[in-house]
Amino acid sequence: NAGVMQNPRHLVRRRGQEARLRCSPMKGHSHVYWYRQLPEEGLKFMVYLQKENIIDESGMPKERFSAEFPKEGPSILRIQQVVRGDSAAYFCASSPRRTSLAYNEQFFGPGTRLTVL
Amino acid sequence: KNEVEQSPQNLTAQEGEFITINCSYSVGISALHWLQQHPGGGIVSLFMLSSGKKKHGRLIATINIQEKHSSLHITASHPRDSAVYICAVIFGNEKLTFGTGTRLTIIP
Repeated sequence: NAGVMQNPRHLVRRRGQEARLRCSPMKGHSHVYWYRQLPEEGLKFMVYLQKENIIDESGMPKERFSAEFPKEGPSILRIQQVVRGDSAAYFCASSPRRTSLAYNEQFFGPGTRLTVL
Repeated sequence: KNEVEQSPQNLTAQEGEFITINCSYSVGISALHWLQQHPGGGIVSLFMLSSGKKKHGRLIATINIQEKHSSLHITASHPRDSAVYICAVIFGNEKLTFGTGTRLTIIP
């Protein structure tokens, strides 16, 4: 059973370009989370999605950032008109569909390291 | 405010030493993760726990719900244990709130 997959692993963009980061959750997982780790800073929650629904986007910047998790295919984190401050490691995690009130463990992908020139 | 604090921020020890990393949080939680991150690397979930104690190899994680405190212990530490260890909690909803991490260096 493959783990959480993210691609690309490294992405270089010039200011003003668009960045698309992809996350394929573990097989059987229907919940996806995106986290950002700025240089020399801790991890911060960005967005939580289930298939075709955004559940919580309270950590996502209001402008230029969007996320989706379509019925088919990977989850996409999209950053439009990137700026240098967007340079960071972006991690995706997935968890299975909840069958009870218990919290399900999250499993992390290897991350995408975005560098904005 | 939901907060997570870790200590120490940095820890250097000799190979073979017993290591303890601490995590405190401000309010009740649903669960707590201990994560490991190597420099430039991905994140590995070591433990998820909501009560008691878990052990995996040389790693032990404990949590005291009443005290709002968790510890990660490493026995017989080894240079390959050198990494950043991160405590992350769920404050009732699904998203993780992270501590600032403890940078562990084990010297041969």
